Amino acid sequence: AQSVTQLDSQVPVFEEAPVELRCNYSSSVSVYLFWYVQYPNQGLQLLLKYLSGSTLVESINGFEAEFNKSQTSFHLRKPSVHISDTAEYFCAVTPRGNTPLVFGKGTRLSVIA
Amino acid sequence: EAGVTQSPTHLIKTRGQQATLRCSPISGHTSVYWYQQALGLGLQFLLWYDEGEERNRGNFPPRFSGRQFPNYSSELNVNALELEDSALYLCASSRRTGSTEAFFGQGTRLTVV
Repeated sequence: AQSVTQLDSQVPVFEEAPVELRCNYSSSVSVYLFWYVQYPNQGLQLLLKYLSGSTLVESINGFEAEFNKSQTSFHLRKPSVHISDTAEYFCAVTPRGNTPLVFGKGTRLSVIA
Repeated sequence: EAGVTQSPTHLIKTRGQQATLRCSPISGHTSVYWYQQALGLGLQFLLWYDEGEERNRGNFPPRFSGRQFPNYSSELNVNALELEDSALYLCASSRRTGSTEAFFGQGTRLTVV
């Protein structure tokens, strides 16, 4: 079975400051890794994913995440956050193949002006 | 292309009643997943349907059930509602083969009073 741990439930950060949201996973098989974002009163949107190849993946709005197999981590980073990045962020894993995602409990990012 | 649609948006029920939630997947998607997002608990996997069959279920009691119709839409039924069933219920869909991403609907907010 797979599990995901998001180490921080809440992360406050000032606008234009860098941020890192941490995610560690546990799995006995190879997995796909995902970050989803949930804005207030909305569903989840895919932010970025790691399937294979380059361990650094990027999103169109400046976020990036790096897959670290030895540390079983997939931390999400952004060098300079905006007010509009305020949301809840979920890390998720799934074994390779068509199976349900396993989510972490989420990290609430609050960007302060 | 229409995204995943869920209805109703909000639902208020009293304890002991039954609730029915509906989900229409993206055209061409055959897999439907249901998740419960209760306050502070992240997303908990409920049910997975594919090609009309239940493929997997999470650690929820039998009063949580559902089905998938021939057009791949799905229903989630919750019987004998309890106060702790109050949550956002999210539906997601994906392609059956070669799937690497699940697309989420906006959710149904169920409130049990």
